[in-house]
Amino acid sequence: AQTVTQSQPEMSVQEAETVTLSCTYDTSESDYYLFWYKQPPSRQMILVIRQEAYKQQNATENRFSVNFQKAAKSFSLKISDSQLGDAAMYFCAYRSGGSGAGSYQLTFGKGTKLSVIP
Amino acid sequence: EAEVAQSPRYKITEKSQAVAFWCDPISGHATLYWYRQILGQGPELLVQFQDESVVDDSQLPKDRFSAERLKGVDSTLKIQPAELGDSAMYLCASSFHWAIQETQYFGPGTRLLVL
Repeated sequence: AQTVTQSQPEMSVQEAETVTLSCTYDTSESDYYLFWYKQPPSRQMILVIRQEAYKQQNATENRFSVNFQKAAKSFSLKISDSQLGDAAMYFCAYRSGGSGAGSYQLTFGKGTKLSVIP
Repeated sequence: EAEVAQSPRYKITEKSQAVAFWCDPISGHATLYWYRQILGQGPELLVQFQDESVVDDSQLPKDRFSAERLKGVDSTLKIQPAELGDSAMYLCASSFHWAIQETQYFGPGTRLLVL
């Protein structure tokens, strides 16, 4: 079974600065997808960024980018120019690329609580 | 922008009572997921539907939990009887089709407290 580990329960960053959230995963598969989801307080979880394992290029979405190290099974999220609205729980998630409807569930880490200091 | 709807947002119940949660996915989304999120942890899948059929309920405690999606649109998750350990956030998510679109869109969740 796949596991996702987020070793930083809490992080803080000064507004306008850059912060990196860590995520490692364990899998024997070669085809899979990785995601970062953001869960603001009392609001729904939204997708921040996703990465296909077969792509060597790191995904980027505006101020959010990832450092995907497939051999090391590492998938970190970098937030540049941090804003107050970035404060939230961030979850790293894994999804198999295998066949069959049941293999498409997301496996989440325990999350990292990000605080943004004005 | 279309969103996944869930109700109620909060539910307080006593141990041994029955509770039910409702989810309305984004229109046109064939795949629906129910997750349970215990405080301080990431969500864990309880059940996945493709249209009206269950495709994965291996993590669903079937002695007390049930889920249905009768017309392949909205869905209900029921717990009977509720236990103290069921206190958690119950999240619903949907995606266009499990084989086509990887992104799951989440609803706001139902926070359950069992006393």
